[in-house]
Amino acid sequence: DGGITQSPKYLFRKEGQNVTLSCEQNLNHDAMYWYRQDPGQGLRLIYYSQIVNDFQKGDIAEGYSVSREKKESFPLTVTSAQKNPTAFYLCASSIGERLRNQPQHFGDGTRLSIL
Amino acid sequence: DQQVKQNSPSLSVQEGRISILNCDYTNSMFDYFLWYKKYPAEGPTFLISISSIKDKNEDGRFTVFLNKSAKHLSLHIVPSQPGDSAVYFCAASAFDSGAGSYQLTFGKGTKLSVIP
Repeated sequence: DGGITQSPKYLFRKEGQNVTLSCEQNLNHDAMYWYRQDPGQGLRLIYYSQIVNDFQKGDIAEGYSVSREKKESFPLTVTSAQKNPTAFYLCASSIGERLRNQPQHFGDGTRLSIL
Repeated sequence: DQQVKQNSPSLSVQEGRISILNCDYTNSMFDYFLWYKKYPAEGPTFLISISSIKDKNEDGRFTVFLNKSAKHLSLHIVPSQPGDSAVYFCAASAFDSGAGSYQLTFGKGTKLSVIP
């Protein structure tokens, strides 16, 4: 089945640690995205990538980093510089950023909590 | 400054009746609008979309209406079923000339409860 896989589903981090969230897609999509959702809030864009080896900051990129070495993979690292990392993180992909009117499809998310 | 607003945090509807979820936007550059459905601890699922050149798009029990002059769109679910109980997010897309790409902006969501 084609889709987007995020792992792990739940993740715990100690203060001062970096953690990496995995996102893999087998939809052959060019574009991938990371969003953060907080309770009672909409989704806010952290980073996005239109193509391999290229990525751009979204609205709330501070304290996060990404890489896009393969088309299928777009891992997100939550660094110790992110002061409020507890949230639900969602990865998404779409056919291509430059194409009009293409929906984004989402994984099932990773819930990150601070110990 | 919220560019996409869903002013009703929650909505309760009787099974079999119509559910109407509303969304307002402020950015006149938005030209593509989407609705997503989200269950707890899962990712959003794409439901239906509409381009700004249309005023209505229908898919089974789901219909999206767009009123560009009022900068308003709505999602109608008829008839509502208990399985429709979820959080519904409205999203809008515009071309970001600085980034050279299309970006999605999401509302905060409306929690729909369909009562059997």
